[in-house]
Amino acid sequence: DTGVSQDPRHKITKRGQNVTFRCDPISEHNRLYWYRQTLGQGPEFLTYFQNEAQLEKSRLLSDRFSAERPKGSFSTLEIQRTEQGDSAMYLCASSDTGTGGAYQPQHFGDGTRLSIL
Amino acid sequence: QKEVEQNSGPLSVPEGAIASLNCTYSDRGSQSFFWYRQYSGKSPELIMFIYSNGDKEDGRFTAQLNKASQYVSLLIRDSQPSDSATYLCAVNKGDMRFGAGTRLTVKP
Repeated sequence: DTGVSQDPRHKITKRGQNVTFRCDPISEHNRLYWYRQTLGQGPEFLTYFQNEAQLEKSRLLSDRFSAERPKGSFSTLEIQRTEQGDSAMYLCASSDTGTGGAYQPQHFGDGTRLSIL
Repeated sequence: QKEVEQNSGPLSVPEGAIASLNCTYSDRGSQSFFWYRQYSGKSPELIMFIYSNGDKEDGRFTAQLNKASQYVSLLIRDSQPSDSATYLCAVNKGDMRFGAGTRLTVKP
């Protein structure tokens, strides 16, 4: 079990540029989640996948954000035309599928810190 | 009303004392509840999860769930300075919702 891996750890870019982050989940986990966290707040849900299917997407998520998980393994999160307000820590988590209505614990990667100049 | 509410703290306890962290949630249909610990600049780390009413113990940690009152708590016994962190309560109903966290300081 190598844990959830995220790349890059830090990203600095100019406003208006596009950025892409990658997440590799724990290998046996079929659910993958993306969150955004700003200082002093808890993680904010963005979207999640079960295998390659995107099952939920936050209504707060701008059209500039898109996520994919093409083969049900790693996932990418892209932000187009970045804005100052996109500066945050972007967290990825994965979990196994629960049974009987219970959701299994999610395990987080170290995150990608995005800074918009 | 926020979906998951926690006292922001800071909560300060002396070393060796019991720290009590509380959380309320708004969705009565929620089934899965989690506590995460987050050190400054680090990602959340799973501490406990609980699905059924009552208490669940793991070492120095006890999670308590009361679905009728929509309340979940975390007790940390024999608190250590290394427990100083922000504790996040989370409720999963497909998309997991986090509280803003309670900052705990354990003083030697």
